[in-house]
Order: sequence, then structure tokens, then C-alpha cells
Amino acid sequence: GQQLNQSPQSMFIQEGEDVSMNCTSSSIFNTWLWYKQEPGEGPVLLIALYKAGELTSNGRLTAQFGITRKDSFLNISASIPSDVGIYFCAGQGAAGNNRKLIWGLGTSLAVNP
Amino acid sequence: SAVISQKPSRDICQRGTSLTIQCQVDSQVTMMFWYRQQPGQSLTLIATANQGSEATYESGFVIDKFPISRPNLTFSTLTVSNMSPEDSSIYLCSVERDSYGYTFGSGTRLTVV
Repeated sequence: GQQLNQSPQSMFIQEGEDVSMNCTSSSIFNTWLWYKQEPGEGPVLLIALYKAGELTSNGRLTAQFGITRKDSFLNISASIPSDVGIYFCAGQGAAGNNRKLIWGLGTSLAVNP
Repeated sequence: SAVISQKPSRDICQRGTSLTIQCQVDSQVTMMFWYRQQPGQSLTLIATANQGSEATYESGFVIDKFPISRPNLTFSTLTVSNMSPEDSSIYLCSVERDSYGYTFGSGTRLTVV
């Protein structure tokens, strides 16, 4: 099925560093979602974006809905060890079959204390 | 956001047997979604379960292999039938709640031996 292009695939950083990851799509979306998944758990919603150009923060996390509606990025500032996990983007269209979530392949983040 | 209880959390099963996974939501929802996440991979939608009607399956998934029940607005089951090692995955149920995006259960980690 359709998937989003998410990059980077993995990151290994030092505690305190900033992190940036992004997703791109060939299709226009009405909603962009960013999730984090830790081992043994289901994905947990971090940030939801509903409007092109929207910039939303959740603590040290900031995400933006691209103006073309075909991309989004997630930034994590001043990373800490508990930021470790896999981050997924997901896009959603407007109606009907397009309302199904389309998922990125994930960005695996490792933080060295 | 919705609270989803999923069980079992993990199981090791013999090939050829079947496993039924339960998903309980703390409030009524119209649609419930079942996903598969193979090791190290992103999420793949198996089917959408509406109360009172047959589930809608995605390409590559069939009812005989993954029968789904949806007896009421807070509960659903997914059965993985006639299992083979290729069915070893994490199975996740999810619901969509207005303003909260999609919420996921903690998943069922299935190993088929």
C-alpha cells in the first residue's frame, strides 16, 4: 500500500542535541499526525496538525504542516534519554477511502546520555 | 483520549492454531481499526470494524484468515487463523476520536513457532 517517505531512518545523537525528521508525500493530506512508539507499546500521538502552514508545539516537540500539504517535519529540542523510540508520521486525506491513515516507515532515535 | 485495553499482551502459539485478540474501549466509537506491525516495520491496516456490519478488509487481508467481530460500540476481536511463522507480528487495535487523532492499544505481540 501507499507509504510516506520518512527520513532519516535512524538517528544516534548525544543528549542535549536537537533532532529533526520529516515526511513527504506525493499526495495532499488534510491532517498530519506524529506518533512515538516505545518497545512493547502501541504508538502514542505526539502532535496533530490540521491546517497547511500550521506550526504546533508540545513541550520540546515542534511540528509543522507543510504549505504544499505534502510534507511535515518534527523537531525535538534538547533531547533527553527518554526521547528514545521510533517516531512515525501519518497522513490522512479528506473523506471516504482517503480518510485512512498513511504511515511513514519510522525514524528510530537513540540518545546517548 | 480514549483508553484502549488490548489482550493478550503477548502470546506464543503453535503453527496451525488460532488466536483471538480482544480490544475494549472505554467509550463508544463508531469504527475500530486493526493493524499489523511486522518486526521493525511500520503499521499496516488489516481491516476496519463497524458495529452491526461486516468488517472492511484491506488489500492482502481476507476474512477467512483474519475474522473480526464487533458485537457492540466498545468491543472488537480479531482472530488470526491457521497461524504460520509469517504471522508473527504485533497486532494493534485503534480508534479515532475527534480532536485526539487515532489512539492505539498497547498491542499483542504474537510469536508463532
